[in-house]
Amino acid sequence: DAGITQSPRHKVTETGTPVTLRCHQTENHRYMYWYRQDPGHGLRLIHYSYGVKDTDKGEVSDGYSVSRSKTEDFLLTLESATSSQTSVYFCAIGEAGSTDTQYFGPGTRLTVL
Amino acid sequence: TQLLEQSPQFLSIQEGENLTVYCNSSSVFSSLQWYRQEPGEGPVLLVTVVTGGEVKKLKRLTFQFGDARKDSSLHITAAQPGDTGLYLCAGDTGANNLFFGTGTRLTVIP
Repeated sequence: DAGITQSPRHKVTETGTPVTLRCHQTENHRYMYWYRQDPGHGLRLIHYSYGVKDTDKGEVSDGYSVSRSKTEDFLLTLESATSSQTSVYFCAIGEAGSTDTQYFGPGTRLTVL
Repeated sequence: TQLLEQSPQFLSIQEGENLTVYCNSSSVFSSLQWYRQEPGEGPVLLVTVVTGGEVKKLKRLTFQFGDARKDSSLHITAAQPGDTGLYLCAGDTGANNLFFGTGTRLTVIP
């Protein structure tokens, strides 16, 4: 299995609070992705990174920001969490962009009350 | 915008039966991937199809990419309880990301 960890694995927070999720890889892959998974929607891309300090928006980026200061870490921040951001968040890594295999982390279940 | 529709959304079958899952779109994809996801885990890649009309076999699983590269199917022969899971297709539009389908949740009853 690819070395990907996500933290925390579970989090409950209140509306309006900031939340940061962390994705850490030990594979030295260039690409890193954040997805959210909701019933009836499958996986939807939030943001992705193609290198240190190089990021771009995905399909559902509103309300989220990301940062990648090191190859191994990709942070997802919800500046002011809303109930609509209750979801399971997955991080993924890949070597060569969308044409390559993406390896997924175990996920973070976030509940915003 | 949902680019990929999967059908059926849910499927419950007896062990030993055959089944087909479909992934359809109005968009053309340069390649298409199939993933399987088990509860509490992230998706795991099963196969990537690249050429229109391509057929790939993985033991009892057969994957086909449509000639026009807009659709794909997954056929499982003699399903087993270990095949239970969420099956996701994902299309590559040529940008640096994938668009995932809505998923088919398969349950194989022993």
